[in-house]
Amino acid sequence: QSALTQPASVSGSPGQSITISCTGTSSDVGAYNYVSWYRQYPGKVPKLLIYDVSRRPSGTSNRFSGSKSGNTASLTISGLQTEDEADYYCSSHTSSSSLGIFGGGTKLTVL
Amino acid sequence: EVQLVESGGGSEQPGGSLRLSCAASGFTFSDYNMNWVRQAPGKGLEWVAYISGHAVTMSYAVSVKGRFTISRDNAKNSLYLQMNSLRAEDTAVYYCARGLDIFHSGWHFDYWGQGALVTVSS
Repeated sequence: QSALTQPASVSGSPGQSITISCTGTSSDVGAYNYVSWYRQYPGKVPKLLIYDVSRRPSGTSNRFSGSKSGNTASLTISGLQTEDEADYYCSSHTSSSSLGIFGGGTKLTVL
Repeated sequence: EVQLVESGGGSEQPGGSLRLSCAASGFTFSDYNMNWVRQAPGKGLEWVAYISGHAVTMSYAVSVKGRFTISRDNAKNSLYLQMNSLRAEDTAVYYCARGLDIFHSGWHFDYWGQGALVTVSS
């Protein structure tokens, strides 16, 4: 099964808002409200930012928000900060024989 | 405090076997589904395997099905990944990742271990 599709890179300036898309199919993103987002700094462990499409775990800034429309989920980061520069991954439950799938990852650069 | 600590990584030749372990603490281990997620050098995350809280259900990525086996010992608060018939493309950091508790439905990983590096090379 192919990975969910994310843009390889996005960029923004401090204070701006950016959106990272995550496109799947009717068997994964479109079928379940079980999309999650993770942030990973180079050489570090991934951290959960968003789960169940739009829920934030305790500790996640409200600058991070998630949404979904059809087979595409999105992560929006508002009020960009230099510390937001990292790799971001989406993940979804899938109805295929394999239970889960990740996106290819998006490198966010804060200019 | 939730802690997940992997061990057992190392180097192995193609066709060989390795067994990863993940020691869990800070939560009721049997109440949680568990996963292995890997990341090849310079690449993205790839979900590898899932096991339910009482080991009733296991699931694998297509890339490892038939070669890897996930298991757990709830009495020892430990998760395992037996990796057989290793290939060069299995080279990656392997993360132990906690899934949802057994009382809820969903799909996400809220705690991750530090990872164990597995290198497959001749």
